[in-house]
Amino acid sequence: AQSVTQLGSHVSVSEGALVLLRCNYSSSVPPYLFWYVQYPNQGLQLLLKYTSAATLVKGINGFEAEFKKSETSFHLTKPSAHMSDAAEYFCAVSPNFNKFYFGSGTKLNVKP
Amino acid sequence: KAGVTQTPRYLIKTRGQQVTLSCSPISGHRSVSWYQQTPGQGLQFLFEYFSETQRNKGNFPGRFSGRQFSNSRSEMNVSTLELGDSALYLCASSSAYEQYFGPGTRLTVT
Repeated sequence: AQSVTQLGSHVSVSEGALVLLRCNYSSSVPPYLFWYVQYPNQGLQLLLKYTSAATLVKGINGFEAEFKKSETSFHLTKPSAHMSDAAEYFCAVSPNFNKFYFGSGTKLNVKP
Repeated sequence: KAGVTQTPRYLIKTRGQQVTLSCSPISGHRSVSWYQQTPGQGLQFLFEYFSETQRNKGNFPGRFSGRQFSNSRSEMNVSTLELGDSALYLCASSSAYEQYFGPGTRLTVT
């Protein structure tokens, strides 16, 4: 069975500060892992994905995530937050790209 | 390349009615998935179609159904609408290693 846990439904950071959004997964098979971002009244946009290549994955808008198998984690980071990063972020796991399991989401607030 | 399109974007229906939502995937993509997004339940997988066949199904009642046409366009239907069906319905189009989402259809049931 697959599941995703995102720790913290709301995260608030100051502009220019480090962004860290946490994601832990459970999977019976080596998974594919994803981070998506959703702006209000829009669909989900893919930020980055892990597909068993490099464990440190770089995505769009300066985001990156590191796959740590021993910790079953795939945390999302960005060195310096920008006001435009304020959105909801979803971590997802998929065993085969046919069915995706999403976490409950983390709303990121960026303070000026 | 055009993205995933969903129509209509907004819909208001009354309890007991039925509704059909449409999704046009990215050209060349053969897999289409549907998700329901609500504040309380988050993103929940409804079903996935590939080459006109339902390949995966989530845990939703039989009132929720879908189909895919030979051009990969997909529709989902919800019959006998309930207030709890109010949600953002997202369609996603998949290639081998990526899934792209449409903007969603916001369904309000009154």
